[in-house]
Amino acid sequence: SQKIEQNSEALNIQEGKTATLTCNYTNYSPAYLQWYRQDPGRGPVFLLLIRENEKEKRKERLKVTFDTTLKQSLFHITASQPADSATYLCALEGSSNTGKLIFGQGTTLQVKP
Amino acid sequence: KAGVTQTPRYLIKTRGQQVTLSCSPISGHRSVSWYQQTPGQGLQFLFEYFSETQRNKGNFPGRFSGRQFSNSRSEMNVSTLELGDSALYLCASSFELVRNEQFFGPGTRLTVL
Repeated sequence: SQKIEQNSEALNIQEGKTATLTCNYTNYSPAYLQWYRQDPGRGPVFLLLIRENEKEKRKERLKVTFDTTLKQSLFHITASQPADSATYLCALEGSSNTGKLIFGQGTTLQVKP
Repeated sequence: KAGVTQTPRYLIKTRGQQVTLSCSPISGHRSVSWYQQTPGQGLQFLFEYFSETQRNKGNFPGRFSGRQFSNSRSEMNVSTLELGDSALYLCASSFELVRNEQFFGPGTRLTVL
């Protein structure tokens, strides 16, 4: 069956370090993958979208990689700050061209000053 | 540009009742998707509407229904409420299809007693 897995355990890092979050998927062949940030009590906020033909995408301190062979996406936050503390969700299309977006359970990141 | 708005923000109902939630997308967005978020199941896709037509539906019982109006505003309805329907219901809009970035509303917190 189709499955998206993100680290269920919270990731705790020191301010200034690089945070790396993982999103693995099985039995999917997504055309793209998205990353969102969610703060408690709020709706998710879109961060980055990467397509299957893109290996890497950057936006300010954020970097996303997409390895369709490993069926994995890595999300990096460089020079992390306490304000980066949140839950990060990856999402991909459930079946090609259906527009049905499936989300992972999310990984909670805690950046300590 | 105003963001996605959802009303009401909080709702308390009892088992067996029905509920209607409303979502106003960002001006110009034609796609509206609904999600249910619970601590155990995470963010789960309910359905997507585009130009007043339901394009996709998640794996939820028929008690969950929705519609979209000509101004792109959307409503979702849950009939015969069950305790397990307690969740945060999120609405997201996008300009075209969900493979573009989605903009989420703040959600409606539904509690079923």
